[in-house]
Amino acid sequence: GESVGLHLPTLSVQEGDNSIINCAYSNSASDYFIWYKQESGKGPQFIIDIRSNMDKRQGQRVTVLLNKTVKHLSLQIAATQPGDSAVYFCAETLSGSGGSQGNLIFGKGTKLSVKP
Amino acid sequence: NAGVTQTPKFQVLKTGQSMTLQCAQDMNHEYMSWYRQDPGMGLRLIHYSVGAGITDQGEVPNGYNVSRSTTEDFPLRLLSAAPSQTSVYFCASSYSERWAKNIQYFGAGTRLSVL
Repeated sequence: GESVGLHLPTLSVQEGDNSIINCAYSNSASDYFIWYKQESGKGPQFIIDIRSNMDKRQGQRVTVLLNKTVKHLSLQIAATQPGDSAVYFCAETLSGSGGSQGNLIFGKGTKLSVKP
Repeated sequence: NAGVTQTPKFQVLKTGQSMTLQCAQDMNHEYMSWYRQDPGMGLRLIHYSVGAGITDQGEVPNGYNVSRSTTEDFPLRLLSAAPSQTSVYFCASSYSERWAKNIQYFGAGTRLSVL
């Protein structure tokens, strides 16, 4: 069935390094992908999104890459900072699902730890 | 900037008790939803609403009821609490236009324990 999964459950990086968080999805009908950041004790917070007609999208210090051929999504964080420590979730939506359009399917999350 | 407000933040229930988790948003969002998050898991959709008077089931609706009498409020009711409902519950809202609907704003969560 449809699923969104992550290659690595935990990622530890040195402050100042770049971070790459990966995500695999299984449903080729998914047409929209989002990354959320969840800090300890808080709700998820939108980071960046990408539509299926795009391969790359950049934000402030973050870049999302989409490879539809292998159904792979990645989030790149440049110059990782201690404040980036959190759990990162990728989420997908399925097109053509009528009233449920927009319902998100979340992956299990990757915990990013930034070492000072 | 209140955004999405959830109450209570913490709750302990005994098996069989009922309660309502409150969710309110002040952004005039049409779309609202409830998720549960279990340890080491992503968020799973319980119920959602695309506007006042309209609700529908998500992935894990059993044991929960919702109603949407106003645009602002979307309460989640546990009819007879069970230990399996111990979880962190998040409410979210967004605009209903196709692409905007996917950018959801989340509340801080309600941590529920059922003994």
